[in-house]
Amino acid sequence: GENVEQHPSTLSVQEGDSAVIKCTYSDSASNYFPWYKQELGKRPQLIIDIRSNVGEKKDQRIAVTLNKTAKHFSLHITETQPEDSAVYFCAAKGSNYQLIWGAGTKLIIKP
Amino acid sequence: GAVVSQHPSWVICKSGTSVKIECRSLDFQATTMFWYRQFPKQSLMLMATSNEGSKATYEQGVEKDKFLINHASLTLSTLTVTSAHPEDSSFYICSAIGENTEAFFGQGTRLTVV
Repeated sequence: GENVEQHPSTLSVQEGDSAVIKCTYSDSASNYFPWYKQELGKRPQLIIDIRSNVGEKKDQRIAVTLNKTAKHFSLHITETQPEDSAVYFCAAKGSNYQLIWGAGTKLIIKP
Repeated sequence: GAVVSQHPSWVICKSGTSVKIECRSLDFQATTMFWYRQFPKQSLMLMATSNEGSKATYEQGVEKDKFLINHASLTLSTLTVTSAHPEDSSFYICSAIGENTEAFFGQGTRLTVV
């Protein structure tokens, strides 16, 4: 089955700098890759997603890139702000619409 | 986006009692819902996949007789934690898949068993 690995587990960046979180997946048939942001005690919220027919998608300060050949995808946040501090999860869609989740990355934005 | 409502948001129960958690898709029909458990500072652990009108599919290591899942309609799935014990204390969260495969999450339920 699908396996998703996410790195790093914790990322600390200076406010205004960029943050990059990377995920790899194992099932070449996976075709949907969302990124979720979860603030403490709250539900995960979709922030951006990408399908396997495109290589990059951008939404303001957030972008996701996908390399199907290497089976990895990354989340890029530019001009980080304090409100970007949260746990970020990547996922890949496996069979039966089941999302296989990465372990999460705790992003800390230092003022 | 679509809305998934989960209730209750928190519950405290005595050891040995049962607790029911509801997950509703308010503005779309969800043929498939998922139940997760999340420990502090950890990722979402899939417990089971719930399909409307059929038995849930449980992940390895999840006791189906302890975590009863019912998906009686296209908009409602319930998780019942039976004979709860302190080790069952956790954050339980459901999600439902919309038409474009985006997953919408409920608010989550923080269960504390005393």
